Amino acid sequence: EAGVTQFPSHSVIEKGQTVTLRCDPISGHDNLYWYRRVMGKEIKFLLHFVKESKQDESGMPNNRFLAERTGGTYSTLKVQPAELEDSGVYFCASSLLAGGLSGANVLTFGAGSRLTVL
Amino acid sequence: AQKITQTQPGMFVQEKEAVTLDCTYDTSDPSYGLFWYKQPSSGEMIFLIYQGSYDQQNATEGRYSLNFQKARKSANLVISASQLGDSAMYFCAMREASMEYGNKLVFGAGTILRVKS
Repeated sequence: EAGVTQFPSHSVIEKGQTVTLRCDPISGHDNLYWYRRVMGKEIKFLLHFVKESKQDESGMPNNRFLAERTGGTYSTLKVQPAELEDSGVYFCASSLLAGGLSGANVLTFGAGSRLTVL
Repeated sequence: AQKITQTQPGMFVQEKEAVTLDCTYDTSDPSYGLFWYKQPSSGEMIFLIYQGSYDQQNATEGRYSLNFQKARKSANLVISASQLGDSAMYFCAMREASMEYGNKLVFGAGTILRVKS
């Protein structure tokens, strides 16, 4: 089974430009998540999709970030306009189930998209 | 608020020896789950092991075991018989069950493990 795929693996842009990150979850996983790790900090939750609906977007830092999941398949995360503090690694993850304490609700992560804003 | 603390920024271990990576957590919720992930240089986060707060036994997965001490709020990862391929960053994470429908994980800062030959 294919894992979670993220594209691009690395993006270098200038402050003020726009970047769009893409995530393809594991086929059949209704739950899709975005996390990010900015330099020197912990990995932080951004948001959670269930199919095409945003279940929880409490971690989105500001309105420069827009996540979409049209059709409930792949997801995009757009940063517009990008700022220096947005540099970091953006992880996407998916899971079959969500919530509760079951170990079956394990998140499978992608390799991340490294964003560098100059 | 939930918090995960990994106090070891970096660790070295000799090949074939065992190593313990520390993780302490803080939560007011009696129901929670604890995870360990491995991130090799390739970048992908690989799930290693899970422990539920009500699990009576410590979780084990092959060479990985979780030393769960609930009263001390610690969930240390033990890797037995270390291999060169174990060199990676290791993250401890927690999920509270109080969320009605979610999978929001709180991560620690990570520990870099280097296995020496």
